Amino acid sequence: DSGVTQTPKHLITATGQRVTLRCSPRSGDLSVYWYQQSLDQGLQFLIQYYNGEERAKGNILERFSAQQFPDLHSELNLSSLELGDSALYFCASSAGTSTTRHTQYFGPGTRLTVL
Amino acid sequence: EDQVTQSPEALRLQEGESSSLNCSYTVSGLRGLFWYRQDPGKGPEFLFTLYSAGEEKEKERLKATLTKKESFLHITAPKPEDSATYLCAVQAYGNNRLAFGKGNQVVVIP
Repeated sequence: DSGVTQTPKHLITATGQRVTLRCSPRSGDLSVYWYQQSLDQGLQFLIQYYNGEERAKGNILERFSAQQFPDLHSELNLSSLELGDSALYFCASSAGTSTTRHTQYFGPGTRLTVL
Repeated sequence: EDQVTQSPEALRLQEGESSSLNCSYTVSGLRGLFWYRQDPGKGPEFLFTLYSAGEEKEKERLKATLTKKESFLHITAPKPEDSATYLCAVQAYGNNRLAFGKGNQVVVIP
């Protein structure tokens, strides 16, 4: 158990809908990262937050957004869903800032299926 | 752009048959190279971090090594429970994101 929790475990929804994925980092970790894993693309970085502020963006679609709250949990919002958004979504957390070496620990993931 | 290539994509091993997985990388300035293990439908589980060429780390039947261009994950006398996908990722200086390879899928047959 990495200490990172994600809910829900599974999510099934229809095209055009909006969903929210939730992540709680390990105790004491200030950085939260979101990754998408699909069969053909592998694990792709979406976005990073550090202590409530956005720090880095990857190939995140404009239909997707995220935030980190004062209690450090994070939410990833996916809207106007398309079939191609079906994937595993992982949250990871780490202790460090951009100037320190740190390991990212991953949660169990949310499997999103768009029908 | 940081790139990671893992080979072979898939590997079937007899129990006890040692082998090595390769991770070739290009990165602007390597802060760290990471190995994770992933079981189907689960999150990646951290195994090792390597920071500089020549560094080695071991954990049970696994040993990771690092050169300036690639990393190897050696699996010694594997057991069926070592069956998993092994992911390699790099992190560059000034950049916190991990760039992952597509993984080495390992199946160990009893």
